[in-house]
This record gives sequence, C-alpha cells and structure tokens, in this order.
Amino acid sequence: DTEVTQTPKHLVMGMTNKKSLKCEQHMGHRAMYWYKQKAKKPPELMFVYSYEKLSINESVPSRFSPECPNSSLLNLHLHALQPEDSALYLCASSQDAALGLRGADTQYFGPGTRLTVL
Amino acid sequence: QKEVEQNSGPLSVPEGAIASLNCTYSDRGSQSFFWYRQYSGKSPELIMFIYSNGDKEDGRFTAQLNKASQYVSLLIRDSQPSDSATYLCAVNGGTSGTYKYIFGTGTRLKVLA
Repeated sequence: DTEVTQTPKHLVMGMTNKKSLKCEQHMGHRAMYWYKQKAKKPPELMFVYSYEKLSINESVPSRFSPECPNSSLLNLHLHALQPEDSALYLCASSQDAALGLRGADTQYFGPGTRLTVL
Repeated sequence: QKEVEQNSGPLSVPEGAIASLNCTYSDRGSQSFFWYRQYSGKSPELIMFIYSNGDKEDGRFTAQLNKASQYVSLLIRDSQPSDSATYLCAVNGGTSGTYKYIFGTGTRLKVLA
C-alpha cells in the first residue's frame, strides 16, 4: 500500500482566517514533505520532516507553520495568507532518504489540497 | 542552465505509437531518477524510478538512464489516450542532498485517438 491521504480536498479561506491542512501515511515512512504547486509548474518543496524533526525549511514565510505530531501525521497550519498563496498543496512521504538504500528516497504523493485564498 | 531540463511539449503521438520523453540533468553526483505522471488538477503519481545505467521495464513503460551523458528517458509503448498527461522527471541525491528532488518543468503528452 502506497497511500498518502490529505484533508481537506478543497479549502477556501479569507486572508484573516486560520486553517490547517492534514496529511497521513501508514506505510511506516520516516520522511514527510510539504510541497506547493502552481498551475503548469513543478512542485516546489516547502518543508521536510525526518524522524518527526524539521530538517528542511525552504525559506517559507512564517504564515505557513508545519507540525509533525507523530511519524504518521503531518500538518500545515495556515494564518494570514495572501491571494498568491492559492495553489495545490501536496504532501509526500518516503521511507527514509538518508538510509542510502535504493528506493528509500522514493516519494509518494497524496492527492493534494486545492487552496484558494480570497 | 536549468538543473533538470525537459521539453515542455506538447508531444503529440497517435494511439498505439511509442512516446519518448527525455530529461537531462546537470548534477553529475545525482543518484536516483524518477518519472511521475500528473493529470491536470491531480497530484503526481509515481511511474518508475531508476538508479543504474541501462533500461528498466515495467509493463508498457521503460526508463533508460545514461549517467555518462546525464540523461534519463521514459518510453511509453502502445500509447493510449489515457496516457495524456504531464510527465515530470525528478532527480535526487546530488549536491542538494537526499531529501530534495530537483524537478524538471514537465513534458505534456497528448495521445491522439
């Protein structure tokens, strides 16, 4: 099973709202990722968690706040977003990229959350 | 120079033909290479990964890797209209480390019925 789930599927929020995106995987993967994808562009890495610790933050504005409560869950807290933050937000997981084992860095994507900021 | 380059397309092929998608990369230290398919409005779906020089086949798909020439390709045999999508090439394990994929901009494939 290579399933990553994300909720909600769609989210519309105002610039003063606070909302959260959720991601879950039950594959025993130890690395989890948040990406942002705009139309006709490749996914753009935002954050990486490895063994529940933040290992990469790609200089993402503080209005995006990631959280990894346990090895299966990843949240992205949103606050005071701008209309230009409207995009498809993708979660992915991999076994453990740092193991150096072939296949361990293969990322599996969830279905995404389509975010619209008004 | 872009780190991972793909022709944006669209690449149009007739149904039943072989579609050939190409990707070149600049980081010689890259270790792993991935092809994802993405339908419009959907998330990327893994098709194949390849680590060693040569060919790797999975059903109608064949990935080819040539590290000396720094390219990776994806062949789709017996193309179907349902294969119409954007194909993303991703490269990992170079100077960016093992967690940060470098994506190409994707090639849009259209299979004509």
